[in-house]
Amino acid sequence: SAVISQKPSRDICQRGTSLTIQCQVDSQVTMMFWYRQQPGQSLTLIATANQGSEATYESGFVIDKFPISRPNLTFSTLTVSNMSPEDSSIYLCSVEGMGRDGYTFGSGTRLTVV
Amino acid sequence: AQTVTQSQPEMSVQEAETVTLSCTYDTSENNYYLFWYKQPPSRQMILVIRQEAYKQQNATENRFSVNFQKAAKSFSLKISDSQLGDTAMYFCAFLLYGGSQGNLIFGKGTKLSVKP
Repeated sequence: SAVISQKPSRDICQRGTSLTIQCQVDSQVTMMFWYRQQPGQSLTLIATANQGSEATYESGFVIDKFPISRPNLTFSTLTVSNMSPEDSSIYLCSVEGMGRDGYTFGSGTRLTVV
Repeated sequence: AQTVTQSQPEMSVQEAETVTLSCTYDTSENNYYLFWYKQPPSRQMILVIRQEAYKQQNATENRFSVNFQKAAKSFSLKISDSQLGDTAMYFCAFLLYGGSQGNLIFGKGTKLSVKP
């Protein structure tokens, strides 16, 4: 299965600023996924990022708040814009395996907004 | 729409004993995958075990096994000979086979504590 390098692993940011999270995959993948995990909660899909097209956002998430780039088949970034304390969460990227292999996840970014 | 329910927010077990985590799901589809993921304090999501819906045989991976009851839409995880390193959040997840969205649907998780 793919190996994902995600960074930063954690950050503490001031409200009103933006943070860009990067995910690098060791193989080419068609789709990459970005999840948010709020404290004590499960994972919620933010968006699906396809190379060469606009990301597809889930209900409740908008491009202005969470812009995503997908410049090639091994890399993606998620930006959390104009942050507020409510954005404090763990953000994870993932890629799809071969069906029964499930998904591979990055190690997550723990974001704290103060 | 598919849903995944984990009814046990927290569980604890003594080291070396056996524990079962519950998961139920709802779908009208026939072809899908089910997964158990483990998330230790390091935050890394680790695949524990997977099950294809078309297979009647329950999946097993060393100390981890599932009880898959398709008609009842139940997918429980049994951990045998529990170890301290099993302490983590456990998430049950559903994935449609060949689904166009291609994304996992997670339950809310069960926090498992293994006590020495």
